[in-house]
Amino acid sequence: AQRVTQPEKLLSVFKGAPVELKCNYSYSGSPELFWYVQYSRQRLQLLLRHISRESIKGFTADLNKGETSFHLKKPFAQEEDSAMYYCALRGYNFNKFYFGSGTKLNVKP
Amino acid sequence: EAGVVQSPRYKIIEKKQPVAFWCNPISGHNTLYWYRQNLGQGPELLIRYENEEAVDDSQLPKDRFSAERLKGVDSTLKIQPAELGDSAVYLCASSLRMGTQYFGPGTRLTVL
Repeated sequence: AQRVTQPEKLLSVFKGAPVELKCNYSYSGSPELFWYVQYSRQRLQLLLRHISRESIKGFTADLNKGETSFHLKKPFAQEEDSAMYYCALRGYNFNKFYFGSGTKLNVKP
Repeated sequence: EAGVVQSPRYKIIEKKQPVAFWCNPISGHNTLYWYRQNLGQGPELLIRYENEEAVDDSQLPKDRFSAERLKGVDSTLKIQPAELGDSAVYLCASSLRMGTQYFGPGTRLTVL
């Protein structure tokens, strides 16, 4: 069964500190992994996808197939990064998404 | 462009009452999704449309939930009758085939 696990409900860091939001997945095949973000009072939006291999707002994420992980990282957190972050998986054969339960990132001044 | 539009934004009903949610996707997007998001959880897919066709409704509780997407544009999700456990945020999203999903603001349903 497909499953996305985000072990941390809440992550608090100080401004300027590194941040890592964890995401582990289980999938019998080669999935596509995504990070979505929801800022306060805004709609859910795509942050980045692993196939793009790009950095968005200073965030990066590397797909580790051996550890079945797709952790989101940023070297220096900013207060405006405070939001809910959801890891999501899509199987290549089907246009169906599975979301994790989300991690709330709180960046303190 | 307004993006994905959903209405109403909030709905409070008593259990056993019917309720309907409406979604207008981004123009030209052929794929439309309905998700339910329970408190403290991520979105869970209820149904996915490719144009007018429901291609994945495996997670839709068919005894009380129904959906339609006439003419392959707007979509309506209905619950009849609503139960207490249906309280959640109902999200609509659209995409161009396998492209990026764009989400609407959601409808927050409270069943009393």
